[in-house]
This record gives sequence, C-alpha cells and structure tokens, in this order.
Amino acid sequence: EIVLTQSPATLSVSAGERATLSCRASQSVSRDLAWYQQKPGQAPRLLMYGASTRATGFPARFSGSGSGTEFTLTISSLQSEDFAVYYCQQYNSWPLTFGGGTKVDIK
Amino acid sequence: QVQLVQSGGGVVQPGGSLRLSCAASGFTFSSYGMHWVRQAPGKGLELVAFIRNDGGTTYYADSVKGRFTISRDNPRNILYLQMNSLRAEDTAVYYCARDFSLLAVADCFNVWGQGTMVTVSS
Repeated sequence: EIVLTQSPATLSVSAGERATLSCRASQSVSRDLAWYQQKPGQAPRLLMYGASTRATGFPARFSGSGSGTEFTLTISSLQSEDFAVYYCQQYNSWPLTFGGGTKVDIK
Repeated sequence: QVQLVQSGGGVVQPGGSLRLSCAASGFTFSSYGMHWVRQAPGKGLELVAFIRNDGGTTYYADSVKGRFTISRDNPRNILYLQMNSLRAEDTAVYYCARDFSLLAVADCFNVWGQGTMVTVSS
C-alpha cells in the first residue's frame, strides 16, 4: 500500500500570504495525484488532478506541482474562503490512498 | 445537474446492520466506477469500498472486508453499502463518490454525495 504523508499537519497563514503544502508518497505514483479541499461540515471537493491540473471552479491562485514521490500544492495569496483542510490522494495503484490532511487556518 | 444524494445512516448498536444508499442523477451511472469513503470524527479520509461500473469488480478495505458489501443497481442508478457486524470504530460520516473518468481503472473522485453519519453505540 502506498502511504501518503502530508506536511505540515497545520499551517497558520495570514490572508494574502502564500501557503505551500507538501504530500510525499512512499513510492512513485507518477503524476496520479489529486488534491481535495474540505470545509467543515462539507464533502471533500476535487481541487487538483494529474498533480497539476486545476478542477472546475478553482481559481488560478491554486497550483500543483511534482511527480513521482514529491508533490506540492501552492496557494499564492490566501483568501478567506481558502481556509480549509486539504488532502492528497494517489490513484496510481490499488488500494487508493489518502494523505492525513493539512489544515490551513488563520494566523 | 450531476449529483449524488445519499440516504440511510443513523444510530445502531454494536453488531447491528445498516444499509446506505446513494442515488445518482445527471450522468450515465452505468459508465462510472463508484466508491464509499468514510471519515471518522475529526479524522481523515478512508476508502472503504469500490465497485466497477458494471459491478464486475469490487474492492474492500481490510478494516471492513467480510462485513460490508458494496453493490449497485444500474437500471435504477443507485449505489448501496450494506454494513453488517458494525463496530464502534465504524462510526463515521460515509460519502459516496464517483470516478472522475469513464471506465477508469483507478481514479480520483470529482462527484461526492452529501455524506451520512453512521454512529455505532450501545
């Protein structure tokens, strides 16, 4: 099973600042890596797939990069609506697995 | 519009059973793999079960294997999760979710149900 490790667990950022989230895989997942955003009381929402392709409805301040075992989600200038928990997920091999999440909260 | 609407859930005693349903609309249900994902209170996401578009292949997490059964009714556009021998550690919000791509072997999930709470407690 591929283990995804997200860091940091919590990221405290001020609005307007840049946030960088990391997801590390225990073995290569090529670019079969997705990111989800989850707000309290809501279902997760697909944010990024193929490591760097933004899903419908997300603005350009969100960007993804990486391949193999190291991935990064960057939010260039945090807005109030971006404070949430972010999960990565690999879909390169079964079982499909999620990372433990990074909570982005207000500094 | 494309949506998944869940029903079922609730409070059940340890050892009890429950069935979750997920009604799909707005897309060709029979063309997509479907999943159940759960989230224990304050915790992360865990893939519980998967079923291929035609029902021919299923996957279960080790934690539920032998106790949970995923199934689908393609003519009625409904996904099910039958949960038997429930344990306290099965307490979670359960989401149904759809594969991003048609006929995918493995995929991310771009359509999610609203979630339903399952509480296992005496």
